[in-house]
Order: sequence, then structure tokens, then C-alpha cells
Amino acid sequence: DAKTTQPPSMDCAEGRAANLPCNHSTISGNEYVYWYRQIHSQGPQYIIHGLKNNETNEMASLIITEDRKSSTLILPHATLRDTAVYYCIVRVLNNNDMRFGAGTRLTVKP
Amino acid sequence: DVKVTQSSRYLVKRTGEKVFLECVQDMDHENMFWYRQDPGLGLRLIYFSYDVKMKEKGDIPEGYSVSREKKERFSLILESASTNQTSMYLCASSLPPLGGRAKLRSYEQYFGPGTRLTVT
Repeated sequence: DAKTTQPPSMDCAEGRAANLPCNHSTISGNEYVYWYRQIHSQGPQYIIHGLKNNETNEMASLIITEDRKSSTLILPHATLRDTAVYYCIVRVLNNNDMRFGAGTRLTVKP
Repeated sequence: DVKVTQSSRYLVKRTGEKVFLECVQDMDHENMFWYRQDPGLGLRLIYFSYDVKMKEKGDIPEGYSVSREKKERFSLILESASTNQTSMYLCASSLPPLGGRAKLRSYEQYFGPGTRLTVT
């Protein structure tokens, strides 16, 4: 699976949109982009995933560039409870395992 | 809701002890995984299993073994615990890959709360 690069940390003001970038320049055509987050003292939680089209669900939006070499997770109205480590992962859809990197620590401030 | 439980939240063991970490899931998932999480390193895959009695090595299997005798239970074993195995251990489960866009969500992994193991 392709490796990803994320900034180690980011801050965001409460109520504002949080935009978390991820670079995956070696992604191949059959690899999907997944996002998980981990709130302190809990296991990781699935957020969203996509292949090449932008995706939106009740938690977030995922914007994937046309060349698929990078993506952005958007939390439209960040709350204090969104403070967590966010992981961007690329994987082949029929691969059972998931390779997590170090992620981005997002801190939402009042 | 999927529930993945782990036998202990906190565990303290001595060097050389044999350690069992248990994970149980209640959603009839075929796939189960063991990760360890260390500061600055993210999650690293130790072992995974895609069926009863089946196992595959992950990125860091050395010093560990696993057992999957029943579908709902996946055990991680430290044959002789060492201080460098002090870590947070996370178990996860998921459904197997299936075809078609309608099944994509099936690939997400559900994680347990973790076991913080300290080896002294």
C-alpha cells in the first residue's frame, strides 16, 4: 500500500472548518483513501473513504485531487470533541490490513 | 452497533512472563487484527486473521504469536514479555472484502478500547 504524509499537528478554532491535508503521491489506481480518527484513550474510529470522487457523510467531507496524489479531510464546523489524531491511509480495497502512519494531531480551541 | 472488547484496559507484567491479550467481537466479522501503538510511530500491524485458525504476519510480528480458535476471539500472545513490548495494544475487526460499491463500507475496521501493557 502507498505511504502517506501528514503534518504532525494542526490547530483550529471552534466553529470553523478544519482542513486536514494528506499527501499520497505514490497512490496507485486501485487504492482508496481512508480517514480514521482517534480520540484520546479510545480506539480509532472510521470517518470516511473515497477513490477519486469527492465524498461527504454526516461526519466529514473528503476532497481528492484530480491526480489523486493528495486529499483533504474537511470537518465543516469543528467542535472541541473533534480534538483527536487523524489518520490518512491508502489501501487496496480487497486488502485486509490497514497501515496507519503517525497522523495529524488536531486541536480545536475555543 | 459493532462491539469489540479487550480483556483488560491496563496490564502490568514482569520481564519474561507469558502474556495473553484477549479480543472479542460480537458482529460475526471474519477479519481480526492486532496493532500496537507507540508515540510518534502511529499504529503498527502485528498480526491479522481472516478466518478461524488462519493468521498472517503484519509489519512487526517478532516476539508475538496469535491464536484464533473461534471466530469471535483473537488472542495475542507474548511468549516472554520484554520491556520493549510496553505499549498500547489495539484489536480491530472487519468484514471481508466484497464486490460492488454497496459493500464498500464493509471494509472499515472497528477498534476496541485498547490495552495499555507495561512490562517491568
